[in-house]
Amino acid sequence: DAGITQSPRHKVTETGTPVTLRCHQTENHRYMYWYRQDPGHGLRLIHYSYGVKDTDKGEVSDGYSVSRSKTEDFLLTLESATSSQTSVYFCAISGPEKGAAGELFFGEGSRLTVL
Amino acid sequence: KQEVTQIPAALSVPEGENLVLNCSFTDSAIYNLQWFRQDPGKGLTSLLLIQSSQREQTSGRLNASLDKSSGRSTLYIAASQPGDSATYLCAAYSGAGSYQLTFGKGTKLSVIP
Repeated sequence: DAGITQSPRHKVTETGTPVTLRCHQTENHRYMYWYRQDPGHGLRLIHYSYGVKDTDKGEVSDGYSVSRSKTEDFLLTLESATSSQTSVYFCAISGPEKGAAGELFFGEGSRLTVL
Repeated sequence: KQEVTQIPAALSVPEGENLVLNCSFTDSAIYNLQWFRQDPGKGLTSLLLIQSSQREQTSGRLNASLDKSSGRSTLYIAASQPGDSATYLCAAYSGAGSYQLTFGKGTKLSVIP
């Protein structure tokens, strides 16, 4: 299994509070991604990173920010959580071969509930 | 914009049956297509990755094919087992600098003992 650890795995928070989810990898892969998975919508890309300090927006980036100060860590921050951000969040990585077109590996997910 | 469709959304088969899961995509200019398995409450597990230059990939009882001209991929599971019960997702990578995979919504497979 790819070495991807997400924390926290479960979190309940209140509307308006900041939340940070962490993704840590031990594979030294260049590309990292944050997805959210919701019933009826499937998996949607929030943000991705193609290197340290290099990030870009995905399909549903509004209300989210990311940071990557080290190869192994990719942080997803909800500055002011809303109920619409209740979801399961997945981190993914892809290898250096063939760039971002390499095989994608996923973490176990972080379930976030915003009350 | 790439769209990926998986039909049916759910499938139930008796144990031992061979089965095919379908994945269709609208933009044939893909770099690769990947099949995943997801168990309830878990992350996605990569099953097979097919590069655009390949026609198929095999791993154990699984065989995935890719036909870019028709915009279709199939995942063949031989001699299905109850442990194969899960949701199967396909995802097409279209490149063009988007660094983005487009996922289908999955087919939920139930293998009945």
